[in-house]
Amino acid sequence: GIQVEQSPPDLILQEGANSTLRCNFSDSVNNLQWFHQNPWGQLINLFYIPSGTKQNGRLSATTVATERYSLLYISSSQTTDSGVYFCAVDRNSGNTPLVFGKGTRLSVIA
Amino acid sequence: DAGVIQSPRHEVTEMGQEVTLRCKPISGHNSLFWYRQTMMRGLELLIYFNNNVPIDDSGMPEDRFSAKMPNASFSTLKIQPSEPRDSAVYFCASSFPGQGAYEQYFGPGTRLTVT
Repeated sequence: GIQVEQSPPDLILQEGANSTLRCNFSDSVNNLQWFHQNPWGQLINLFYIPSGTKQNGRLSATTVATERYSLLYISSSQTTDSGVYFCAVDRNSGNTPLVFGKGTRLSVIA
Repeated sequence: DAGVIQSPRHEVTEMGQEVTLRCKPISGHNSLFWYRQTMMRGLELLIYFNNNVPIDDSGMPEDRFSAKMPNASFSTLKIQPSEPRDSAVYFCASSFPGQGAYEQYFGPGTRLTVT
């Protein structure tokens, strides 16, 4: 099955710093999503981005499907950005389940 | 829309008891997924439905687990009998593949503790 690798596994940032999280996947995909799992355990949709670039406020994401990776950029980090960031991709073409990476645990300190 | 709704949010039960988790997908979504999150295995699929029909249940750990979707607006995941190793957070997600977009939306999860 498809493999998803995220890096780094852990990241500690000073408030206001920028960061880049990476997601590599082993096969072509039709769905790639970035999630933020907050300290209360909720999975918050950040981006649906099987290809291209999107921006939402201080966050942006880029997926290069031909090279099988995606990047999540966080600028001017805030303590509320803390949590675990997951990348997830589908296994096949069409509406199929997501395979999750192990996540990047981000801690933003004031 | 209210998003994906799950109940209960927390469940504590004793080993051997039956547990039923419930999910209401987003209205109009025709695909529903049950995932489980544990420290050891991360987030993994248990079962998913398209148009109320189970498509892949290969992630269901064993016969103690069963899932149903009697209609488009309701699904249950049942564990009978429950065991301590079933302790985890269970997420339900739904999607509507309109115009080729497959974004999944997750509910808040049910945190299950089996003692």
